[in-house]
Amino acid sequence: AQKITQTQPGMFVQEKEAVTLDCTYDTSDQSYGLFWYKQPSSGEMIFLIYQGSYDEQNATEGRYSLNFQKARKSANLVISASQLGDSAMYFCAMREARFGNEKLTFGTGTRLTIIP
Amino acid sequence: GAGVSQTPSNKVTEKGKYVELRCDPISGHTALYWYRQSLGQGPEFLIYFQGTGAADDSGLPNDRFFAVRPEGSVSTLKIQRTERGDSAVYLCASSPLTGVVNTEAFFGQGTRLTVV
Repeated sequence: AQKITQTQPGMFVQEKEAVTLDCTYDTSDQSYGLFWYKQPSSGEMIFLIYQGSYDEQNATEGRYSLNFQKARKSANLVISASQLGDSAMYFCAMREARFGNEKLTFGTGTRLTIIP
Repeated sequence: GAGVSQTPSNKVTEKGKYVELRCDPISGHTALYWYRQSLGQGPEFLIYFQGTGAADDSGLPNDRFFAVRPEGSVSTLKIQRTERGDSAVYLCASSPLTGVVNTEAFFGQGTRLTVV
């Protein structure tokens, strides 16, 4: 069963507008972490933001915020005031906090294109 | 350099040949991970090292794949008898901590392997 689902293969957004990238996840664990990574054309994965399953407040990092709805198992990324440099692939990922588990499980990603 | 370094950046090999992919993690990072990213997909976990030992190799697809980290720093991913289906970007990541769900993994730019 797919654990991370990103339903938007591609999105086009006007520069300076806000954009929401969707992510839903599936786990039976109570303790887990959710991550968003950006992958520009250069290939490396750049960490953007983290949300823990027990965090009561939505995470924020500069222009990035995470809309965490635990009951719906969704962890959408919101980018405010989008910039041309935001054009990239964006991946949602989860790490289940089980003993010995260190791996990240990624979704299939969303390609975001910012239009000038 | 300060980041995770992977060499080569590109590798083209003939079907049936043996290849080695190298990863130089961030200095001092005890955990090292290998992921494989096929075209249009998110990264998929292959193996995780804690120090010199492979703590979790559950993602290795078959016994043609092997990885080592003999001195707890540089790691080499080895693929024997390469097949066209092995063509992908191989990503390496490292992190300073393990056992903490919010630990960020720092990724390299990947090695693009093409088997012809």
